[in-house]
Amino acid sequence: DAKTTQPTSMDCAEGRAANLPCNHSTISGNEYVYWYRQIHSQGPQYIIHGLKNNETNEMASLIITEDRKSSTLILPHATLRDTAVYYCIVNLGSARQLTFGSGTQLTVLP
Amino acid sequence: EAQVTQNPRYLITVTGKKLTVTCSQNMNHEYMSWYRQDPGLGLRQIYYSMNVEVTDKGDVPEGYKVSRKEKRNFPLILESPSPNQTSLYFCASSLSQGTRSYGYTFGSGTRLTVV
Repeated sequence: DAKTTQPTSMDCAEGRAANLPCNHSTISGNEYVYWYRQIHSQGPQYIIHGLKNNETNEMASLIITEDRKSSTLILPHATLRDTAVYYCIVNLGSARQLTFGSGTQLTVLP
Repeated sequence: EAQVTQNPRYLITVTGKKLTVTCSQNMNHEYMSWYRQDPGLGLRQIYYSMNVEVTDKGDVPEGYKVSRKEKRNFPLILESPSPNQTSLYFCASSLSQGTRSYGYTFGSGTRLTVV
């Protein structure tokens, strides 16, 4: 799997957009970028994934650079309940290769 | 409701006493997987299954067994638990068709303490 680099922690004001960066400079052409989050000790929650194009769903938007070496997860209007550890994962989409790193602790401040 | 159900949520057991943590999903997913989460080590894959009767080792399979006799169930078996298997365990499942990719759905976790 391509390795990912994320900031250890970030703060965001409630109601503002949270932009979480991820570097994956060794990503291969057929690897997807996934984002998950984990709130305290709950099970990780799938947020979004993409291959080349930007993606949007009801939870977030994913912006992937043209060279695919980095991406940004955008939570458009962060709430206190979005406080969590956010994981950026690169893999081929198979059962074997979902490897979690250390993630980014996002704290949404009132 | 589409979900992955793990049982029990909490378990305290003694060294050497065999135990099984059950995992069941109601989404007809092919892929299922077990993870353990430990402070400072993050989430690590124990075993995974790509379909019925097809299982393979993840990164930390020692001391664990799994089986996949039915599509919906993927139990995790600890034949002789030891204190170093004290951890938070998660089961996950995913749909995958051909080259298309999907996200995993995780269970709520099982907190296991081996004394």
